[in-house]
Amino acid sequence: DTAVSQTPKYLVTQMGNDKSIKCEQNLGHDTMYWYKQDSKKFLKIMFSYNNKELIINETVPNRFSPKSPDKAHLNLHINSLELGDSAVYFCASSQTLDSTPQYFGPGTRLTVL
Amino acid sequence: AQSVTQLGSHVSVSEGALVLLRCNYSSSVPPYLFWYVQYPNQGLQLLLKYTTGATLVKGINGFEAEFKKSETSFHLTKPSAHMSDAAEYFCAVSDRGAAGNKLTFGGGTRVLVKP
Repeated sequence: DTAVSQTPKYLVTQMGNDKSIKCEQNLGHDTMYWYKQDSKKFLKIMFSYNNKELIINETVPNRFSPKSPDKAHLNLHINSLELGDSAVYFCASSQTLDSTPQYFGPGTRLTVL
Repeated sequence: AQSVTQLGSHVSVSEGALVLLRCNYSSSVPPYLFWYVQYPNQGLQLLLKYTTGATLVKGINGFEAEFKKSETSFHLTKPSAHMSDAAEYFCAVSDRGAAGNKLTFGGGTRVLVKP
C-alpha cells in the first residue's frame, strides 16, 4: 500500500488556468506538507498542516491555497498559473509536528505553457 | 539561514565498491541532519537521521552517515554497492525547535551502479 499518494502524476496546462493537486496519506499521521522542487532539484517547503491547521506558510504567493478537509488529505489549489509555477510538487507527512517526514509522495510534475 | 551543499550531482560506482556521497551544511544552530533516497518513479524515503547522541548513525539498506561538527559535514556511505542502490539521494537539514520541522534540502546526487 502506498503511504503517501498524489494525483495527478503529470499536469500540463496553459498560463492563467486554475488547477489542483491532491494528496492522501494512509499512515494516520497528524502533519502533512507541500514541498516544491525547482529545476535544480532543490526542494523547498511551501506549507505544513497539523490536524487540519495551517502551521507553516513560506512566502508563497496567494495564488497557492492549500486545503485540508481531514488530516489524511492535503490538497493544493493554484489559481492563475504562471510559467514560473512549473516544477515538481511533493507531498509528505509526519507522525506529529515535531517528527521527521518519513515518506514523500511520488511527486506531481506541473508544466505551465 | 540554513543551506545544504551536495558535492557531485552524479556519482558512478561499481557493484561491490564503496559508495560515498558528500554533504556539507551551514546552520547557525546545532542542526538535525537527514538523508533521503528517491528510487525511480517513487517519492522520497527517509534513509537515516542525526538528532543528538552518537555521531555515527545507521540507516536502512546498509547505509550510514557520520556527523562531523568541525567539518560541518554529514557524508553518507555504504561499504558495498548493490544494483538496487541506484537512486537519487538528498541530504537535508532542519532547524532545531522550528515549528513544523522545516527541512532545507541539497540539490541531490544521482547514483549509478555499474555491474
